[in-house]
Amino acid sequence: GNSVTQMEGPVTLSEEAFLTINCTYTATGYPSLFWYVQYPGEGLQLLLKATKADDKGSNKGFEATYRKETTSFHLEKGSVQVSDSAVYFCALGGGSNYKLTFGKGTLLTVNP
Amino acid sequence: EPEVTQTPSHQVTQMGQEVILRCVPISNHLYFYWYRQILGQKVEFLVSFYNNEISEKSEIFDDQFSVERPDGSNFTLKIRSTKLEDSAMYFCASSISGTGYNEQFFGPGTRLTVL
Repeated sequence: GNSVTQMEGPVTLSEEAFLTINCTYTATGYPSLFWYVQYPGEGLQLLLKATKADDKGSNKGFEATYRKETTSFHLEKGSVQVSDSAVYFCALGGGSNYKLTFGKGTLLTVNP
Repeated sequence: EPEVTQTPSHQVTQMGQEVILRCVPISNHLYFYWYRQILGQKVEFLVSFYNNEISEKSEIFDDQFSVERPDGSNFTLKIRSTKLEDSAMYFCASSISGTGYNEQFFGPGTRLTVL
């Protein structure tokens, strides 16, 4: 079945540092890949997505590239801000399944 | 901007009691979902719902669970006889279309604590 393995947290960075959160997946077929973010007290919000191999999703300075050869979808940001502090979830979906399959989530704290 | 809402934000109940978690999906969405996250673990799919019936469910979604869309706006998850291991954050989501390729919009969650 489908599965997502995500970098364990928590991750603590200083403002303007470079961020990488690793995500690898196992899936049959050709899934879509997503990064969701959860700010304190709020629901999961879609951050970015990619629907096929070599696609790059980007939003708010975050990027992730769908790498079929390494089955990865790592999240990166060149310069984090305090407002990026949140929990980040990698997820996959697609095919005949209705559901999304999530990773465990990574708590990011950015200090000023 | 339309959003998914959930009530209550926190529910505390005694083991063996019934609970109903409520969700109001985005109004033009047709597919509805429940997920849960036990503290420190992955967000897990429970069930999807379309056209007034369950379209997919996980092995977690046993006979103790049920879902309903009692009117044109609410979507509920009922747990008939809660167990300690049902303590988790429950997320409702909705989407316009039903394949996993499309974005699901999530609510803020209901934290269920079973004592």
